[in-house]
Amino acid sequence: GENVEQHPSTLSVQEGDSAVIKCTYSDSASNYFPWYKQELGKGPQLIIDIRSNVGEKKDQRIAVTLNKTAKHFSLHITETQPEDSAVYFCAARNQAGTALIFGKGTTLSVSS
Amino acid sequence: SQTIHQWPATLVQPVGSPLSLECTVEGTSNPNLYWYRQAAGRGLQLLFYSVGIGQISSEVPQNLSASRPQDRQFILSSKKLLLSDSGFYLCAWSSGGQPQHFGDGTRLSIL
Repeated sequence: GENVEQHPSTLSVQEGDSAVIKCTYSDSASNYFPWYKQELGKGPQLIIDIRSNVGEKKDQRIAVTLNKTAKHFSLHITETQPEDSAVYFCAARNQAGTALIFGKGTTLSVSS
Repeated sequence: SQTIHQWPATLVQPVGSPLSLECTVEGTSNPNLYWYRQAAGRGLQLLFYSVGIGQISSEVPQNLSASRPQDRQFILSSKKLLLSDSGFYLCAWSSGGQPQHFGDGTRLSIL
């Protein structure tokens, strides 16, 4: 089945710097890759997603890139702010299209 | 717009007691529904998903079961809780190929 690896597990940056989180997936048939942000005590919230027919997608300070050949995708946050501090999860939809397989998460800390 | 509700938000139960967590979705019909567990410091593990009333698929063997008695209601149950059942339980829904949306979870502590 699908397996998703996420790195790093923790990331600390200064306010204004960029943050990059990387994920790899195992199933070449996966075609949908969302990213979620989870704040303490809450459920994950979708922040951006990308489908396999697209190489890059941007939404203000957030961007996601996908390399289908290498089977990896990345989240880029520019001009980080303290409110970006949270746990970020990547995911890949399984071959059957019925469920998402999640990475183990990255705890991002942005210090001012 | 669609909303998802989970309750209770927190629950403390003794070992061996039963469990019932409920999740309901509003504003959509025939959604796919999911139960995940999130252990401390770990990712989200899919426990069950359902594509329709009475249709439940289990992803991992465990002490838990799920039921979908109505189109927009998903219930997670156990007859006898174990210490290892402690964790943060999340319900999610999706529809029409759209992304999954999560509830705010139930933090379950087993004593």
